[in-house]
Amino acid sequence: GAVVSQHPSWVICKSGTSVKIECRSLDFQATTMFWYRQFPKQSLMLMATSNEGSKATYEQGVEKDKFLINHASLTLSTLTVTSAHPEDSSFYICSSARGPYGYTFGSGTRLTVV
Amino acid sequence: AQSVTQLDSHVSVSEGTPVLLRCNYSSSYSPSLFWYVQHPNKGLQLLLKYTSAATLVKGINGFEAEFKKSETSFHLTKPSAHMSDAAEYFCVVSAIQGAQKLVFGQGTRLTINP
Repeated sequence: GAVVSQHPSWVICKSGTSVKIECRSLDFQATTMFWYRQFPKQSLMLMATSNEGSKATYEQGVEKDKFLINHASLTLSTLTVTSAHPEDSSFYICSSARGPYGYTFGSGTRLTVV
Repeated sequence: AQSVTQLDSHVSVSEGTPVLLRCNYSSSYSPSLFWYVQHPNKGLQLLLKYTSAATLVKGINGFEAEFKKSETSFHLTKPSAHMSDAAEYFCVVSAIQGAQKLVFGQGTRLTINP
């Protein structure tokens, strides 16, 4: 079946540094990848949609310069949290769509900024 | 705009008793609806999906859901709860007809008592 591998599963970084999260589609080509953010005990909020070879589309209120998304190939999409601060601490999840009704989620990345 | 409301933030049942997680949706067209399960610090796993075929949808692990257009509901049920069912459950609706954005409910935390 379709598998999306997300790394790292957890990361602790110092305030002011940048962190990169990778999502790889292992057995299919992911033309579209979705990035979500989830605060403790809350639902998933869509941050941005990335399409291979083009600029990502960000949801309202999401800082595109803070959350850099790159989707340079059909199997890899990355989210870089730049100049991270404690308020960026969260659970980040990627998802890839296969056709209109098939979605595969990564296992998530727990980011803690200290 | 599409939206989904999960009517209970927390449901607690005893092992072996039935489970009912309630979800109501709002959509200007015939929606696609999903139920996902999330275990702590994990990604999301698809339980079942409705895509305008049979209104009673059977999923994995003994779960099923019934699409009721007249009630705009898509409640998730299971006849007999197991300890391993303890997790967070999300009702999800497709946001735009033919597109791939998902809109998540707020989630229902299911607790199973021994």
